[in-house]
Amino acid sequence: GENVEQHPSTLSVQEGDSAVIKCTYSDSASNYFPWYKQELGKGPQLIIDIRSNVGEKKDQRIAVTLNKTAKHFSLHITETQPEDSAVYFCAAMGPSDYKLSFGAGTTVTVRA
Amino acid sequence: IAGITQAPTSQILAAGRRMTLRCTQDMRHNAMYWYRQDLGLGLRLIHYSNTAGTTGKGEVPDGYSVSRANTDDFPLTLASAVPSQTSVYFCASSLSGATGELFFGEGSRLTVL
Repeated sequence: GENVEQHPSTLSVQEGDSAVIKCTYSDSASNYFPWYKQELGKGPQLIIDIRSNVGEKKDQRIAVTLNKTAKHFSLHITETQPEDSAVYFCAAMGPSDYKLSFGAGTTVTVRA
Repeated sequence: IAGITQAPTSQILAAGRRMTLRCTQDMRHNAMYWYRQDLGLGLRLIHYSNTAGTTGKGEVPDGYSVSRANTDDFPLTLASAVPSQTSVYFCASSLSGATGELFFGEGSRLTVL
């Protein structure tokens, strides 16, 4: 099955700086890569996703890049704000079983 | 407000007891999922259902069972709880298995002593 690795496990950034989280996946057939944000005491919520036919997608301060050759994808948060503090999960989905495999998560802390 | 409702929010359970975690969605989504979340391991799929009447095993199905009698409900049962099942359990749904986006409930924190 799919194996997704996520780094770093924790990330502390100064407010206004950028944050980058990286993930690798094992199944070259995977074609859908979402990112979820989980705030304390809540369930994860989709913030951005990318499919294998594009290399980059941006939504305001967040962007995701995908390198299919290297089998890795990254989340970029610019101009971080205190409300960006949360746990972020990357995931990958294969084309046949439609099941998401999640990374272990990154705890992001934005220092004021 | 449309969404997913899980119950109970939190439960402490003696080992060996039977427990059912409830999950209801009102979005008329076809696919539903149960994940467990453990520190350092992320979210791991326990069981899923692509449509009412069908279920499938995920990554960590042992010790758990599910049923999908209708579109809205997807209960998760621990037949005889063990301490290693101490975790936070999340129910999720999606319009279909192929669409990708999951909508999660608020979670059920289960402690097995």
